[in-house]
Amino acid sequence: AQSVTQLDSHVSVSEGTPVLLRCNYSSSYSPSLFWYVQHPNKGLQLLLKYTSAATLVKGINGFEAEFKKSETSFHLTKPSAHMSDAAEYFCVVTRRGNTGFQKLVFGTGTRLLVSP
Amino acid sequence: NAGVTQTPKFRVLKTGQSMTLLCAQDMNHEYMYWYRQDPGMGLRLIHYSVGEGTTAKGEVPDGYNVSRLKKQNFLLGLESAAPSQTSVYFCASIKRTASSTDTQYFGPGTRLTVL
Repeated sequence: AQSVTQLDSHVSVSEGTPVLLRCNYSSSYSPSLFWYVQHPNKGLQLLLKYTSAATLVKGINGFEAEFKKSETSFHLTKPSAHMSDAAEYFCVVTRRGNTGFQKLVFGTGTRLLVSP
Repeated sequence: NAGVTQTPKFRVLKTGQSMTLLCAQDMNHEYMYWYRQDPGMGLRLIHYSVGEGTTAKGEVPDGYNVSRLKKQNFLLGLESAAPSQTSVYFCASIKRTASSTDTQYFGPGTRLTVL
């Protein structure tokens, strides 16, 4: 079975300071991992995904995540927070069955608060 | 190219009423999904479809029915709404390939309140 654990339900930072959102995963298979962002009253937007081509993955809006197999982690970081980064972030693990069906398993989300 | 669209955006129902949520995608994707999002619980899969005319249950299917009569549309029905079905509902779609890293595209969501 696959699962993800987002270690913080809320993270508060000041504008211009670094962001760290933590995610640990559990998977019997070589995992595929994603980070999605959801701004208030909006749908989900893909930030980045781990494709096994590189352990450091760069996404949109200056975010990146590092896949660490030894620690079963896929933490999301950004060097300098912007007010527009305030949103909810979801870590997701997935696998594809033989039929091609993709099952996403979502973490419970981390709400990022950015203060001026 | 509108991507994934959902109607309606908001709805308020009384207990026992019925309604249908419509999801439409114009990307010719084979797979479509319905999720619900509740505070502190992430998204949970209700039902999914791997092609026209086929549907299957997800994690939390009770109280919902679905139909996929056309490839581009995936309908979610509530026959007798209950307050526990108050939630935000998201539809998603993805093309049929062998890659685990393909991206599911999500609709903007439907906010449903059952009184």
